[in-house]
Amino acid sequence: AQSVTQLGSHVSVSEGALVLLRCNYSSSVPPYLFWYVQYPNQGLQLLLKYTSAATLVKGINGFEAEFKKSETSFHLTKPSAHMSDAAEYFCAVSLGFGGYQKVTFGTGTKLQVIP
Amino acid sequence: DAGVIQSPRHEVTEMGQEVTLRCKPISGHDYLFWYRQTMMRGLELLIYFNNNVPIDDSGMPEDRFSAKMPNASFSTLKIQPSEPRDSAVYFCASGLQGYNEQFFGPGTRLTVL
Repeated sequence: AQSVTQLGSHVSVSEGALVLLRCNYSSSVPPYLFWYVQYPNQGLQLLLKYTSAATLVKGINGFEAEFKKSETSFHLTKPSAHMSDAAEYFCAVSLGFGGYQKVTFGTGTKLQVIP
Repeated sequence: DAGVIQSPRHEVTEMGQEVTLRCKPISGHDYLFWYRQTMMRGLELLIYFNNNVPIDDSGMPEDRFSAKMPNASFSTLKIQPSEPRDSAVYFCASGLQGYNEQFFGPGTRLTVL
């Protein structure tokens, strides 16, 4: 079984400040990890994914995440927040082998960007 | 390329009525997922299909919920009879074998009065 825990249901940052959204995972085998973003009144959109290649993964809109096995973490970062980054962000995990594996989503973190 | 298409985008109905939500996945995708999103419970997987066959429906809350996928380009989620607690945003998503990432539609916001 696998699970993810997102620390902080709401995060506020100033425009231009560092964005850090935390995600810790639990998995009995090497996982695949994902970050999705949901803008108001829209579906989820994939930001980036880790599938056991490079531990530092770069995604769209300047976001990146680092897989740290020792810390079972996959935190999402962006050096400088933009107003358009205001959205809800979901971390997700699946088992990393064989066919389709069920994806488990976290509870989401709403990011507020203050001008 | 068109993404996942869902209809209707908004549905308001009265308790006891039948509701049918529709989804057209991305062409070529062999997995289709139905999710429900609420403030209280977050994002819940209801059911998913592989090559039009239901694989896991353990998330379907009650017998009032049913889902079908008659062909590779169409799926429905039906609620009969509907209840106020079914009010939520329902998402359809599709994906490809071996990739695990999912492509979400815009959702259907269901309100049951």
